Amino acid sequence: EIVMTQSPATLSVSLGERATLSCRASQSVSSNLAWYQQKPGQAPRLLMYGASTRDTGVPARFSGDGYGTEFTLTISSLQSEDVATYYCQQCYDWPYTFGQGTKLEIK
Amino acid sequence: VHLVESGGLVVQPGGSLRLSCAASGFTFDHNSMHWVRQSPGRGLEWVSGITWNGADTYYADSVKGRFTISRDNTKNSLSLQMNSLRPEDTALYYCAKDMYATGRLANWGQGTLVTVSS
Repeated sequence: EIVMTQSPATLSVSLGERATLSCRASQSVSSNLAWYQQKPGQAPRLLMYGASTRDTGVPARFSGDGYGTEFTLTISSLQSEDVATYYCQQCYDWPYTFGQGTKLEIK
Repeated sequence: VHLVESGGLVVQPGGSLRLSCAASGFTFDHNSMHWVRQSPGRGLEWVSGITWNGADTYYADSVKGRFTISRDNTKNSLSLQMNSLRPEDTALYYCAKDMYATGRLANWGQGTLVTVSS
């Protein structure tokens, strides 16, 4: 099974500042990497797939990068509505696996 | 797209439960489907997936041999049969629609809560 590791566990960023979240795979997943946003009390939402393609309706301040084993999700200018937990998921090989999540807070 | 899970209950360890997911708003037999769970205060855990025609099924190691995923394309329905339940199976179980057969979970239901406790 491919193990996904996210860092940091918690990230505190000021409004309007850049937030960078990291995800590492235990073996190459090519570009088969998705990011999800989960706000408290809500179901997860697909943000990004193919490592760098925003899903429909996702604001342009969200961007994804990476290939192989190292990936990043960047929010260029943090907004209050971005407070959430973010998960990466590899969809390269079964069983599909998630990282443990990064909780994004306002500093 | 609308996904509605049902069947969550309080069940004793060793017991069984069957979860269902009613799908609407898309062509159900065009997509793989998945179950994902989230234990209270914890992260997401992919549980099981099934291809569009039910020919192939996949499971997390933690549930393999105990859970069975199935689908009925005539009823736009996804199911998860859960046997030999353990306290660590306690979680909110989400049904999720694949972006075709890519593993990308494009749409999610609101979940159904399973509690395994004596």
